[in-house]
Amino acid sequence: TQLLEQSPQFLSIQEGENLTVYCNSSSVFSSLQWYRQEPGEGPVLLVTVVTGGEVKKLKRLTFQFGDARKDSSLHITAAQPGDTGLYLCGGDSSYKLIFGSGTRLLVRP
Amino acid sequence: KAGVTQTPRYLIKTRGQQVTLSCSPISGHRSVSWYQQTPGQGLQFLFEYFSETQRNKGNFPGRFSGRQFSNSRSEMNVSTLELGDSALYLCASSSGQLANTGELFFGEGSRLTVL
Repeated sequence: TQLLEQSPQFLSIQEGENLTVYCNSSSVFSSLQWYRQEPGEGPVLLVTVVTGGEVKKLKRLTFQFGDARKDSSLHITAAQPGDTGLYLCGGDSSYKLIFGSGTRLLVRP
Repeated sequence: KAGVTQTPRYLIKTRGQQVTLSCSPISGHRSVSWYQQTPGQGLQFLFEYFSETQRNKGNFPGRFSGRQFSNSRSEMNVSTLELGDSALYLCASSSGQLANTGELFFGEGSRLTVL
């Protein structure tokens, strides 16, 4: 059974701080996707990482895919209140995504 | 283009009843997936349809079923509702053309409460 574990589960930080969220698995995935979900809405795709060792940057967000394609991380620099939300990683597996339990981030002004 | 539309947005049912949820995908998308989201279990995959065929199914009991119509719209049904079925049910569409899952475009969800 393929599982994805995310850590930490909850994170409350002050505006301007940096943070890293982790997504780990014992299984290899062909790709990993990161989504952000805000209250009352569905998840929205942030990025897809495909190649082992790949690093992608999206403004203040940096995503990395592990060399073995089993883990990924999301680093946010100088967090802002607008970054508040539930961050989900999803591993691609036969026409479905297997999601981690998510990291709930609160950025306090 | 219009996003994924799910109806109804909120509904309350009692144990033993059944419910049908509807999802209209983004125009041109032929793949529709359903996920159940709960605080304890997170996002769990229910099933995926492409061109009216179920391509994958998650580990849910047979009370959960779905279908897709020729216009790519999809419905899911839950029969004999249990308290534990209370959740946000999310529908996602994608082009579904590639072997990998591709980007999923989610609707806002249908929040089901079972009393």
